[in-house]
Amino acid sequence: AQRVTQPEKLLSVFKGAPVELKCNYSYSGSPELFWYVQYSRQRLQLLLRHISRESIKGFTADLNKGETSFHLKKPFAQEEDSAMYYCALHNAGNMLTFGGGTRLMVKP
Amino acid sequence: DADVTQTPRNRITKTGKRIMLECSQTKGHDRMYWYRQDPGLGLRLIYYSFDVKDINKGEISDGYSVSRQAQAKFSLSLESAIPNQTALYFCATSDYRGIGPGELFFGEGSRLTVL
Repeated sequence: AQRVTQPEKLLSVFKGAPVELKCNYSYSGSPELFWYVQYSRQRLQLLLRHISRESIKGFTADLNKGETSFHLKKPFAQEEDSAMYYCALHNAGNMLTFGGGTRLMVKP
Repeated sequence: DADVTQTPRNRITKTGKRIMLECSQTKGHDRMYWYRQDPGLGLRLIYYSFDVKDINKGEISDGYSVSRQAQAKFSLSLESAIPNQTALYFCATSDYRGIGPGELFFGEGSRLTVL
C-alpha cells in the first residue's frame, strides 16, 4: 500500500535561512509526487509537481527514488512562506494520498 | 470566477443527527472528491466520483455516503453523526486530462463539530 510520511509536524526557521521540508513515500509503482500548500485564510493549492521539474516561489523538490524521498527546499525562507505544506503521492487508481502535513513558521 | 463552493462552512450538531455537506463547482470538471482533514493525519479520502454515474469509496468511507446530483454537485452525508467525525471536510475537483491525476482545486472547507 502507498504511504506518505512527513516526519516534522512543525518546522520553525528564521527569515533568510534555508528550508527543507521532508517527505518520504512508499509505493511499489513509479511514483508521481506533489507538494500542496495552504496559506493562512486561503485554500489548499498545488505548489509544484515533480514531473514538471519546476521552481515555484523559490521552492524546488527533487524526487530521489533510491531514498524514496521528495523533500521540498528553498535556499532563503521568507515570512510569506509560512503555511501548511502537504506532500502527496499519486497512485495507480488516479487518486492522491496525502502526508500528515508540516507547518512551516518563518520568523522575522 | 470558476470556483468550488462548500456549504455550510461551519456546523455544530449532535450525536445521531443526519448531516449533509454540499459542494458545487463551476469549473466544469468531471472528477470530484471529498476529503477529511484531521491534525497530524493530513487529508484522507472519503469518496470520489469520476463522473455522474461513477462513485467510489475512498480509504475512510465507513459512516459516510455521497450523492452526485449533477456534474457540478457532489454531496457528502453523515447518516448518524458521531463525535469522531468532528473534522474539517474538503471538497475538491480535478482537471484530469487523461494523464496523471490532474491538479486538485479545493473548496474552503466545512468545519463539522459533533457533540
